[in-house]
Amino acid sequence: SQQGEEDPQALSIQEGENATMNCSYKTSINNLQWYRQNSGRGLVHLILIRSNEREKHSGRLRVTLDTSKKSSSLLITASRAADTASYFCAIAMYSGGGADGLTFGKGTHLIIQP
Amino acid sequence: AAGVIQSPRHLIKEKRETATLKCYPIPRHDTVYWYQQGPGQDPQFLISFYEKMQSDKGSIPDRFSAQQFSDYHSELNMSSLELGDSALYFCASSSKASGYSYEQYFGPGTRLTVT
Repeated sequence: SQQGEEDPQALSIQEGENATMNCSYKTSINNLQWYRQNSGRGLVHLILIRSNEREKHSGRLRVTLDTSKKSSSLLITASRAADTASYFCAIAMYSGGGADGLTFGKGTHLIIQP
Repeated sequence: AAGVIQSPRHLIKEKRETATLKCYPIPRHDTVYWYQQGPGQDPQFLISFYEKMQSDKGSIPDRFSAQQFSDYHSELNMSSLELGDSALYFCASSSKASGYSYEQYFGPGTRLTVT
């Protein structure tokens, strides 16, 4: 299965601390994306990193990609209570077929304690 | 900014009934994707369309069908509903014409409950 696997499955930290989530996958990819989902609601796109990129920043988010290890990490710095959500990595293979669907990992449930 | 619109937001059906979910992509987006997310599960890709043609197919049951129309909106038709079809159904859109950034923008989802 090319499905992304995330760890930890659940993470609880204090407000202000940094949160790190990891994602591993098995196939070659075109890009890897991170999404956030608040309980039972829609998926919000956070950041996309292409296979030829190693690191990307967006505000308090930092994403790294190691294609040799087939892994990625999402770092949220200075966490806030509003960051409480589930975070999913999703891989895009784009094998030439065009609008390929994303393959999501199981997600990390992040809880920020006030 | 305009987002992906899905209707209805909630739907309750009985077993063996049919359901139709609608998706209106972000303006000027030409690609639509459908995903299913069961309770406590990760989203599973069902099917996608680009310029009204089926582009990729995931784990979509044979009881389900979908299409994209000339105005780029899409409909997911689900027949012979089963209890296990109860889930959140997301539509996402992207734009291949704009350099194909591959970022998919998700709608709020339709919560289908089959009783």
